[in-house]
Amino acid sequence: DQQVKQNSPSLSVQEGRISILNCDYTNSMFDYFLWYKKYPAEGPTFLISISSIKDKNEDGRFTVFLNKSAKHLSLHIVPSQPGDSAVYFCAASGSSGSARQLTFGSGTQLTVLP
Amino acid sequence: KAGVTQTPRYLIKTRGQQVTLSCSPISGHRSVSWYQQTPGQGLQFLFEYFSETQRNKGNFPGRFSGRQFSNSRSEMNVSTLELGDSALYLCASSATGNPNQPQHFGDGTRLSIL
Repeated sequence: DQQVKQNSPSLSVQEGRISILNCDYTNSMFDYFLWYKKYPAEGPTFLISISSIKDKNEDGRFTVFLNKSAKHLSLHIVPSQPGDSAVYFCAASGSSGSARQLTFGSGTQLTVLP
Repeated sequence: KAGVTQTPRYLIKTRGQQVTLSCSPISGHRSVSWYQQTPGQGLQFLFEYFSETQRNKGNFPGRFSGRQFSNSRSEMNVSTLELGDSALYLCASSATGNPNQPQHFGDGTRLSIL
């Protein structure tokens, strides 16, 4: 039972264009959402997060959008750079019960072409 | 500030053996979580320790166990290893384990079972 889903295993984007990575969740108890970036042979690095009381959070080139009614979030990277090429994981957690543990999606491999 | 340190980085074992992995969290962090990552899967939550107590546990068999020491360092043990245990094992720490705080990951231990 995948509570956090990233349906696109891979995405290729031209340098300078926008990258949009998508994530869906099913557990209504989730109220905190994060994106992590992972390079090969390294651990995931925290990128950006959003609380369920907001619908948008921005940090430089990275913006996360949350649509609670659709149980959907997305990460926008503008402009995309070759150094952004990595696996991106969406994750979610909540304040109670089994939702307390951080639940990850299966990841999307982003390739930014020069 | 030193990051999360995991040792060893690589390990090769045979079926039926047991293994112990080590994790030193960021100084001052009291919560340590362990995850298993296999190809095509996201990070699967194993367990979380806080102040030497297991606070949360994922859906893994009893062969997977862990502990935390008074200095917050943590170890994970897997007994009677199976081929399917081959994976990247990641440790993450946070100050309090509050679900609304990002976790910081180590670079993982790559475990291969022959």
